Amino acid sequence: NAGVTQTPKFRVLKTGQSMTLLCAQDMNHEYMYWYRQDPGMGLRLIHYSVGEGTTAKGEVPDGYNVSRLKKQNFLLGLESAAPSQTSVYFCASNDRGGGTEAFFGQGTRLTVV
Amino acid sequence: RKEVEQDPGPFNVPEGATVAFNCTYSNSASQSFFWYRQDCRKEPKLLMSVYSSGNEDGRFTAQLNRASQYISLLIRDSKLSDSATYLCVVKKGGATNKLIFGTGTLLAVQP
Repeated sequence: NAGVTQTPKFRVLKTGQSMTLLCAQDMNHEYMYWYRQDPGMGLRLIHYSVGEGTTAKGEVPDGYNVSRLKKQNFLLGLESAAPSQTSVYFCASNDRGGGTEAFFGQGTRLTVV
Repeated sequence: RKEVEQDPGPFNVPEGATVAFNCTYSNSASQSFFWYRQDCRKEPKLLMSVYSSGNEDGRFTAQLNRASQYISLLIRDSKLSDSATYLCVVKKGGATNKLIFGTGTLLAVQP
């Protein structure tokens, strides 16, 4: 089973460039999330979605946009990359219900120079 | 104040030791609680859910104290393979279903 797949796995961007990170899940989950993980900061929620066509801001949304046009895909966009966006990005999904497990993608290591 | 707080460690323990991690959360309306494990440069994976009555899975015991708003994880008979970062996770109730992570506690089990 593929579970949650993120592409790309690695990327180096120049300041000001744009890119889109793709997250795809094949578990028919309603909820999807984008997190960034930085040393000493833990996982911080960027944006999330509670269903197809819906998105909402998380803890650190500035500089990012998201879209959920299809239930299985959740895209994270950086319109104008900044060095402060150098991080490891994780996508996750889970289903409805209080105790359901969240499944994570393998992460995208992004460096902005 | 962070919504979920953990001691970052590192906890350096010898094989066979018992080690305990604590985590506190600030939102009394939180509904679900978990411990996740994250190996170096890997994605987090669910270790165990935490139930109000406490629960055990082999060498791992999780407990929840709603009145004091803290969660604990006890690992008995530590193995080298237990070395990882342990993340305390709290799920908010309602429609958002948001998962809030602590910064994680690093455990290093020494031979």
